[in-house]
Amino acid sequence: SSELTQDPAVSVALGQTVRITCQGDSLRSYYASWYQQKPGQAPVLVIYGKNNRPSGIPDRFSGSSSGNTASLTITGAQAEDEADYYCNSRDSSGTRVFGGGTKLTVL
Amino acid sequence: QVQLQQWGAGLLKPSETLSLTCAVYGGSFSGYYWSWIRQPPGKGLEWIGEINHSGSTNYNPSLKSRVTISVDTSKNQFSLKLSSVTAADTAVYYCARGSGGIAAAGTSVHYYYYMDVWGKGTTVTVSS
Repeated sequence: SSELTQDPAVSVALGQTVRITCQGDSLRSYYASWYQQKPGQAPVLVIYGKNNRPSGIPDRFSGSSSGNTASLTITGAQAEDEADYYCNSRDSSGTRVFGGGTKLTVL
Repeated sequence: QVQLQQWGAGLLKPSETLSLTCAVYGGSFSGYYWSWIRQPPGKGLEWIGEINHSGSTNYNPSLKSRVTISVDTSKNQFSLKLSSVTAADTAVYYCARGSGGIAAAGTSVHYYYYMDVWGKGTTVTVSS
């Protein structure tokens, strides 16, 4: 079982703001990285570090962290943002671990 | 632009050894961690392990007894071997490039790590 906990599913109305969260004790000292995965495709890094976006990732994606919770926020969600989202960090033994994933539906 | 190209056998019988290779094109091989990740059908991502250019490895404890990750710096390639496979090892296997560091702000120190370049994935099916 993952030591990073994510809500299995979240929905958002087109154009609205949605927050996807990831909880785990390691997040008190590790920033999570966030990955977007669409069906049949490899994951894509969308947020890393405190709040950094790789080149090509829209600025509607942002990240934040507080205590044991990391958050990925999409401000003004678009239809193309519908995907699975995974956080990644380390567990208590130092092993890299992914959260269970959150399926985002854009209504 | 860095690209990862991966290949290996896609159909295995139980007890055989899975073998995949990932080649790095268009970028430096040193200074990064090179990871393998897998995703069983309909499930989430599972980190398998990683290696750096000097051969230092870290493995997922749940797979450690069966996993070997190696590197060939002369070819800018790294490889995954997973022994004694079963149907539970059926998955899409990805290779990825990892980077990390430390971010300090005032008295706050946070580590960070991310995987920014991924291979397209290789589907591996274990079936008798």
